[in-house]
This record gives sequence, structure tokens and C-alpha cells, in this order.
Amino acid sequence: QKEVEQNSGPLSVPEGAIASLNCTYSDRVSQSFFWYRQYSGKSPELIMSIYSNGDKEDGRFTAQLNKASQYVSLLIRDSQPSDSATYLCAVPTVSNFNKFYFGSGTKLNVKP
Amino acid sequence: EAGVVQSPRYKIIEKKQPVAFWCNPISGHNTLYWYRQNLGQGPELLIRYENEEAVDDSQLPKDRFSAERLKGVDSTLKIQPAELGDSAVYLCASSLRGVNEAFFGQGTRLTVV
Repeated sequence: QKEVEQNSGPLSVPEGAIASLNCTYSDRVSQSFFWYRQYSGKSPELIMSIYSNGDKEDGRFTAQLNKASQYVSLLIRDSQPSDSATYLCAVPTVSNFNKFYFGSGTKLNVKP
Repeated sequence: EAGVVQSPRYKIIEKKQPVAFWCNPISGHNTLYWYRQNLGQGPELLIRYENEEAVDDSQLPKDRFSAERLKGVDSTLKIQPAELGDSAVYLCASSLRGVNEAFFGQGTRLTVV
């Protein structure tokens, strides 16, 4: 089992809809979780972090964490074509705070 | 403030040739990472430095890859000799020690022919 798993997609949503991206992780004691956005041909860019159960909102982005289910999600409201990218979930190991495991990413296409 | 700077952006070499990548992290960031990203995959850690010390190099193919971070700032990653399977994007990232948030450079796209 991989440490971090994501559906590779592509996930296609119409402009203005809510895009829901999901990530599961294997280390039950993981404490922090990150979402990176990666445009084609570019490097990953940190867009959200979440440390506690529940929701964290930042503009059109909401990160949701459920530690009991070992599940973290990213919701993008009012999706725009400029949101079309691959979204990577990253989870650092508990034993080694600065070592990240990345999922393979979910490709999102927002259709105008 | 400047972000993580990498060079070159692109490199095409023949197999069995050597190649080197350079990274300058964000000023003050103690932790430096080298990742490799294959097409359609997430980044995979090759090596992590805390200042000038390599604290995690378990994923680095040591028979052909080497890295250094002299004076705890800039870092170089070298491959010698390169193989066809080394074609990938090599990403450098940095963070403050004890802070999870890592920031990536633009990456170097390596093509081995």
C-alpha cells in the first residue's frame, strides 16, 4: 500500500461547479497535510495546509480532514478554467517531520 | 524575496554522459530537498539535507547519483553515468527546519537519449 493515494483522474467539471479532490494516507498518526497545485510543465505550488480535523477555508479552497478515516480532501468552489492543473496531496512522516510523501496527483480539467 | 532557483531548466544528454544540476534555496531555509518526478507521478524524494548534512538519502541511487551541499546553502546533484531511465524532472525544494511547508524551484527537465 502506498503511503499516499489519489485518484489520477482526469476529473472534469464545468466552470462554476465545485471540484472535489480526494486523498487517503496510510500512516494513522500523521498530523499535517498539504495540497500542492502543479500546472503542466511547472513545479508544485503549495496552496493549502491542514493540521486538525474539520474544515479549513481559504478563498475558494476548502481543505477537509478526517483523521479517523485517514482521508483528506480539497474542495474548489466556483471552479475556473485557470484551476485546471494537477493537484498533489503531500503527507509528512510523523517520525521524520520534514520527509514528505506525495500522491501521484489528480488532474483537474475545468471546462468553460 | 527570491524563491528556490534551479539551473539549468532543460538538459538533453546522451546516455553514459555525466550531468549536474544546481539549486539555490530560499535564504534562511535550513532544509533542502532533491526530488525526482516522472511523468504522471508525484515527486519522489532522492535526498534531504539539514544544513550541510545529508539526513535522508535512502532513495538516492548511490552507484550513479551524488549530491553535495557545501556551506549549507547551494546544492548540486550529479548523475554519472546517465541512463535512459533517468529522464525526468529534477526538483529542488527548501523549507525552514521544523516547518513542513516546502517551496519548490522551477525544476530541471532531463532528457537522456
